[in-house]
Amino acid sequence: DMKVTQMPRYLIKRMGENVLLECGQDMSHETMYWYRQDPGLGLQLIYISYDVDSNSEGDIPKGYRVSRKKREHFSLILDSAKTNQTSVYFCASSSPTGVNYAEQFFGPGTRLTVL
Amino acid sequence: GQQVKQSSPSLTVQEGGILILNCDYENDMFDYFAWYKKYPDNSPTLLISVRSNVDKREDGRFTVFLNKSGKHFSLHITASQPEDTAVYLCAAGMATGGNNKLTFGQGTVLSVIP
Repeated sequence: DMKVTQMPRYLIKRMGENVLLECGQDMSHETMYWYRQDPGLGLQLIYISYDVDSNSEGDIPKGYRVSRKKREHFSLILDSAKTNQTSVYFCASSSPTGVNYAEQFFGPGTRLTVL
Repeated sequence: GQQVKQSSPSLTVQEGGILILNCDYENDMFDYFAWYKKYPDNSPTLLISVRSNVDKREDGRFTVFLNKSGKHFSLHITASQPEDTAVYLCAAGMATGGNNKLTFGQGTVLSVIP
């Protein structure tokens, strides 16, 4: 069963608190992504990971960091969350060797509110 | 600036009608083009994609047309149904020597009225 999971699904934090968003996939995909989706802006890439400990900044990495210690897990960390980081965060994975090689499989999303 | 742009934030069509969603891009190195569909409170899923070696790909009621010289691609949906109501996101990337990245448009909210 091909699946990308995200935990938690909903999270409310206060400004300045640390935030940890977790993502898992069971497809052994090499590449994983973190996006945020805001109204009128579509999906914006925060970080991309090409495999364990091989991470690169996306288009909007400021205020975020990531960790990938196992191929199936990819974490997004907000150290000292800000109110403008209130958003819906999506994790995705893909494999360059797949039939539809560039297809990205998305998790259900995490709705983060920073008060 | 926005590298991939969708010209219409929203569209409404009567059930059974034909509709066209448009997407423009800036990077002429892009050679992979896709449309994702997203229901409210759900994750985006791939609807249809095309590589730049063809200018059209059809899958049932859905067809992607690619105009490389115009840096434009579109999604045509025929015989629209209420279940087509969703957000449609276009995306483009570099398949050849690429970095596994897709750049997404802002999305078009489609409403199909019964």
